[in-house]
Amino acid sequence: KNQVEQSPQSLIILEGKNCTLQCNYTVSPFSNLRWYKQDTGRGPVSLTIMTFSENTKSNGRYTATLDADTKQSSLHITASQLSDSASYICVVSPYNQGGKLIFGQGTELSVKP
Amino acid sequence: DAGVIQSPRHEVTEMGQEVTLRCKPISGHNSLFWYRQTMMRGLELLIYFNNNVPIDDSGMPEDRFSAKMPNASFSTLKIQPSEPRDSAVYFCASSLGLAGGRMYFGPGTRLLVL
Repeated sequence: KNQVEQSPQSLIILEGKNCTLQCNYTVSPFSNLRWYKQDTGRGPVSLTIMTFSENTKSNGRYTATLDADTKQSSLHITASQLSDSASYICVVSPYNQGGKLIFGQGTELSVKP
Repeated sequence: DAGVIQSPRHEVTEMGQEVTLRCKPISGHNSLFWYRQTMMRGLELLIYFNNNVPIDDSGMPEDRFSAKMPNASFSTLKIQPSEPRDSAVYFCASSLGLAGGRMYFGPGTRLLVL
């Protein structure tokens, strides 16, 4: 079983709509949880980084939440745009393991006009 | 800043050949990471360096893979001999620090081994 599970695997929404992506993790203890956006053919780009003590972090239309008790995180996208079409990856940094990151498999989001 | 620079962007080679991937991290970053991405396995950490020193290479698949960082502005990942199962996108990333720093990924090298 993966230590970082994301759902759904893929999602199709209409432009202008909101959506929420889920991330469940078993990594414990952990230093921080990150969300990345990866456009097709490009490297991942960091959206948010939250430490274990933070509950929410925003970056424009992207808002990430973290519940360390239930080991769940979500990424909410508001007023989606065509350019939001990408893979969104949840990443957990285990505590005291230096630069090691544990990646989820990603959610493939497609925003249609 | 130009961001993390990788070369080549695409590489097609035949099984058994040596492949060398190159990376220039963001100036001032002291940590460098090599990742491999496939559809089946997603993103996997191969090796990472801190201050030019390899810290953890437990993700390197086997002895055919080797990585070096001779100075703060350059790193290589070498596969010798290459095999078809090595076909993947290889990403280099850099950050300031290890655990909490924002990581910046390069554009990747798409490798196809025939």
